[in-house]
Amino acid sequence: DGGITQSPKYLFRKEGQNVTLSCEQNLNHDAMYWYRQDPGQGLRLIYYSQIVNDFQKGDIAEGYSVSREKKESFPLTVTSAQKNPTAFYLCASRILRAGYGNTIYFGEGSWLTVV
Amino acid sequence: ELKVEQNPLFLSMQEGKNYTIYCNYSTTSDRLYWYRQDPGKSLESLFVLLSNGAVKQEGRLMASLDTKARLSTLHITAAVHDLSATYFCAVDLNSNSGYALNFGKGTSLLVTP
Repeated sequence: DGGITQSPKYLFRKEGQNVTLSCEQNLNHDAMYWYRQDPGQGLRLIYYSQIVNDFQKGDIAEGYSVSREKKESFPLTVTSAQKNPTAFYLCASRILRAGYGNTIYFGEGSWLTVV
Repeated sequence: ELKVEQNPLFLSMQEGKNYTIYCNYSTTSDRLYWYRQDPGKSLESLFVLLSNGAVKQEGRLMASLDTKARLSTLHITAAVHDLSATYFCAVDLNSNSGYALNFGKGTSLLVTP
């Protein structure tokens, strides 16, 4: 089935450690996004990518890094520079070719906790 | 900067009652999205509104868009417990932001017997 797969679903990070969240889509979507959600809050944009080998910072990019080496994949690394990384991370994607206004689809999310 | 404001942020309503959630946004946009989120889960797309005056209905939920007023509403008719969830509205950002969505803070809805 087509969709967006995020892994792992739950991840624990030790202080000073980098961790990488995986996001893979088989929808042939052009654009991919990473959002962060804190408890009881809305979604905030971390990074986005419209084409392979290109990505841009969102509103809260500090302490995060991404890559887009393949159209299907957009991994997010939470670095040790991110001082408060405990949150729910959501990956999303959408088609751009047909014009914007198309639905953005979300993965199931990854819970990251600092221990 | 595009701002998206929802109200109310918390809503407790009895089964069988009607209510409306409001979503205001600060810049011109023809596209507005409504999502549902259950606790600990991802977002589920409910409605995509693509033009002024658009109205869409699914079951007990109806969404509308007034682009001139920069206002969307999500109307709940005869609420049932299964509608308890958090509802988000979101607006398209432009090409400078990769057509990402800018979200409101969400409305937590609790439907009680």
